[in-house]
Amino acid sequence: GQNIDQPTEMTATEGAIVQINCTYQTSGFNGLFWYQQHAGEAPTFLSYNVLDGLEEKGRFSSFLSRSKGYSYLLLKELQMKDSASYLCAVKDSNYQLIWGAGTKLIIKP
Amino acid sequence: IAGITQAPTSQILAAGRRMTLRCTQDMRHNAMYWYRQDLGLGLRLIHYSNTAGTTGKGEVPDGYSVSRANTDDFPLTLASAVPSQTSVYFCASSSQTSTGELFFGEGSRLTVL
Repeated sequence: GQNIDQPTEMTATEGAIVQINCTYQTSGFNGLFWYQQHAGEAPTFLSYNVLDGLEEKGRFSSFLSRSKGYSYLLLKELQMKDSASYLCAVKDSNYQLIWGAGTKLIIKP
Repeated sequence: IAGITQAPTSQILAAGRRMTLRCTQDMRHNAMYWYRQDLGLGLRLIHYSNTAGTTGKGEVPDGYSVSRANTDDFPLTLASAVPSQTSVYFCASSSQTSTGELFFGEGSRLTVL
C-alpha cells in the first residue's frame, strides 16, 4: 500500500531551526509537496521537489532523496506565526496526491 | 481575487438529510477536487474533475456525488448524510504550472447528528 509518514507533533523555540521529516512509500513518484495549514484554515502551498536536492525559498527549504524515499522541510529563524501543521504529499504514478497526516509544529517563546 | 469560495462555512445536519456543499473558483483552473480532512488522518480525496464535463472517483467516494457542468463550479452532494460524514471538507483546484500545486477553499465544517 501507499504510505506517507511524518511526526505527529514537534516543538521548537522562537528564533531556532526545526527540521520536519517525511518518508514515503508510493507506487511511483512524480513530485513531493509541502503545505502549511494554520488551525482552522486551508492548506497553502510551500514547496515542490521532483529532483534530488535542496530547494530554498526564504526561511523555508525542502530537501528530497528519491532513492531513500525521504524529504524534509527546514524552517529557519522560527517565528510565532510558523505555528501550524505541515503536510507532506507525494504525487504517485497516476498523478494522484497521497497525503501524510501532517506534523503539528508548536513554537514557544 | 477570490480564488476558491466554499459554502456553507459550517453546517449541522440531521442524519438522512440531503446536503450540497458548493464550490466556485475564478482562476479558470481545469482540475478541481473535493477532500475531507479528519483528525489524525491525511487529506482524503472524495471526487475529482480534470475538466468540465468529466468527474472521477477518489479514495473515499461512497455516499458522495459531484457534477461539473462548467469550469467554475464543482458542487459536492451527500444524498443521505450519515454521522461518519462529519468532517471538514475542502474544495481545491490545481494550477496549470508544471508543479500543479493545489489551491484550497477555506473549508466547510459539516456535523451530521
